[in-house]
Formats: sequence, C-alpha cells, structure tokens
Amino acid sequence: GAGVSQSPSNKVTEKGKDVELRCDPISGHTALYWYRQSLGQGLEFLIYFQGNSAPDKSGLPSDRFSAERTGGSVSTLTIQRTQQEDSAVYLCASSQRTGSIEQFFGPGTRLTVL
Amino acid sequence: GESVGLHLPTLSVQEGDNSIINCAYSNSASDYFIWYKQESGKGPQFIIDIRSNMDKRQGQRVTVLLNKTVKHLSLQIAATQPGDSAVYFCAEKTLWGAGGTSYGKLTFGQGTILTVHP
Repeated sequence: GAGVSQSPSNKVTEKGKDVELRCDPISGHTALYWYRQSLGQGLEFLIYFQGNSAPDKSGLPSDRFSAERTGGSVSTLTIQRTQQEDSAVYLCASSQRTGSIEQFFGPGTRLTVL
Repeated sequence: GESVGLHLPTLSVQEGDNSIINCAYSNSASDYFIWYKQESGKGPQFIIDIRSNMDKRQGQRVTVLLNKTVKHLSLQIAATQPGDSAVYFCAEKTLWGAGGTSYGKLTFGQGTILTVHP
C-alpha cells in the first residue's frame, strides 16, 4: 500500500515569505508527527496529532510555526515569515496510534530559505 | 534534560564484516529504544526496537543490545552489505506519563554514518 507522502519535495523561498508543507499519512493511521532535520543533524520533534487534535506542540520553535490536521488525515505545517534558520528537511511520520512504536516516515520536504 | 546521543559519528567497514553502532541515552524512564536507518534523500526507516525490560533482541541480520546499567544501546549488523550504507539513528520513546497520557514523540540521537566498502 501507499506510504506517507509529502509535498512539495523541495521548496525554495525568500526570507519573510510564508510556506505550507503538506503531509498525507498512511490511510487509517490516527497519529501523525512532524519532525525537522537540519543538515547533518538528528531529527527534532515539532508536533504530533492524535486525530485532529495536537496533544503535544512542545517542539514548535516559535509562534511562526503552526500545524493543523483535518479529517484525521492530511496535515499542513505552516511557517510564517520564514527565516534562513528555518532551512531544513521537514519530515512527517504516521503510526496506527500514539502508542505504536513504529513510525512510518515520508521522504520529507527540503526547505531552503534564501 | 533527556537526551540520546551517539559515541561515533562515522563508521567504515568492509563488506562482510560485522558492524556495531553505539548510542548513549540519559532518560532512564524511556519505555522503548528504536533504531532507524536513513538512506540519502529518504525518510528514516524502522529497523528494530527493544523494550526497556529486555537486554537483547534479534532481527534479521541485526541485534540490538541494551545495557541499562550504563545507559548504552548498540546495533549490531551481521555480514554488512553495501546496501547497509546509511545514517543510523537511535531513538527513545516514553509511552506513558502522569495521568496515563500516552506520549507520541520519538527523541532521536545525532546519527552515525555507516559506509560499507565492497
């Protein structure tokens, strides 16, 4: 079956612009996660959703970052007034439920802020 | 604060050798430890996990060892192949907190680059 998909695969934007990153989780997976991976670094947790609610937003680095999930499926991560330090690969993952150990990752969106 | 880190950032081996990738962790409350493999341009892929009440778990060509005394985790890959070349991350997950809340996030280490030479 289809895995987690993300779009766009690459996004180049100018400093100060807003961007939206999209994640389509595996069908039926109730839990969805966003992580950020900077060059040569590990993955940094941003936010996770259980259904449409976000019990843990503790990883969002600033109020310029927000995310929503609708219909218990697609999620959008929005970064407003992008800064150069926002440049990274943004990864989305999903799992059957919050307590599931295995998270299935998408290929990521590489964001470059000029 | 809690953290998960790796001893060695890079590891080069010859095809056919066994590889050992190490990880140190500091959160003794973690319920599970997980290894992920990330190939270039792809998202991480689950390899194997081990529950905190175990000290060894085997999979296909991989073995994970957990030493809670020294808070150390390792991934052993037998007969390493060129296709095993990737970045390997350890991660930890705490399932339950106060009030029975289930936590979702994984906390990842920095990663080890494994290069397998034919």
